Amino acid sequence: AQSVTQPDIHITVSEGASLELRCNYSYGATPYLFWYVQSPGQGLQLLLKYFSGDTLVQGIKGFEAEFKRSQSSFNLRKPSVHWSDAAEYFCAVGPLIYNQGGKLIFGQGTELSVKP
Amino acid sequence: NAGVTQTPKFRVLKTGQSMTLLCAQDMNHEYMYWYRQDPGMGLRLIHYSVGEGTTAKGEVPDGYNVSRLKKQNFLLGLESAAPSQTSVYFCASSLITGELFFGEGSRLTVL
Repeated sequence: AQSVTQPDIHITVSEGASLELRCNYSYGATPYLFWYVQSPGQGLQLLLKYFSGDTLVQGIKGFEAEFKRSQSSFNLRKPSVHWSDAAEYFCAVGPLIYNQGGKLIFGQGTELSVKP
Repeated sequence: NAGVTQTPKFRVLKTGQSMTLLCAQDMNHEYMYWYRQDPGMGLRLIHYSVGEGTTAKGEVPDGYNVSRLKKQNFLLGLESAAPSQTSVYFCASSLITGELFFGEGSRLTVL
């Protein structure tokens, strides 16, 4: 079955510390991988995406993610967290082309809190 | 840059009432989606559309109906609201490949 697992429901880090959010997926074909961020009361904003090429992907707001095919993982990282990064983060996996009912599958989300 | 716009943003209903959520996108996207977001469950797809005049069921379609009479609009209807439909609803749109673009959400409470 196709699925996305974000093992950490809630993470707290100190401002300035590094961050890694985990994402593991199960998908039959070559997937498109995404990380979205949701600030309180807002919609989801795309942080970065991966389909092919360099397995280390750079995104907005200083985030990056690394695709590891052997581990079926797409972990999100940031070297130094800012208080404004406090939000909920969603990993998603989907087909290259959304035909025949193909769609994105989302993880349950990881809520990030940032301590001053 | 309007992107994806949802109306209304907040609504309170009584059990058994009906309502319609409207989603409009100005990016000429073929695909549109309705998701619901509940705590600890991520986003679950209710219905989606691959083009004007077409709709299809997603993961949790029961109790909802949709229509896509115009390419830019995707309506989500609740014919007889139930407390279990209390949720935040998100509309999204996309090309046939690539990322989804989301609206800001519509918070629905059913009493």
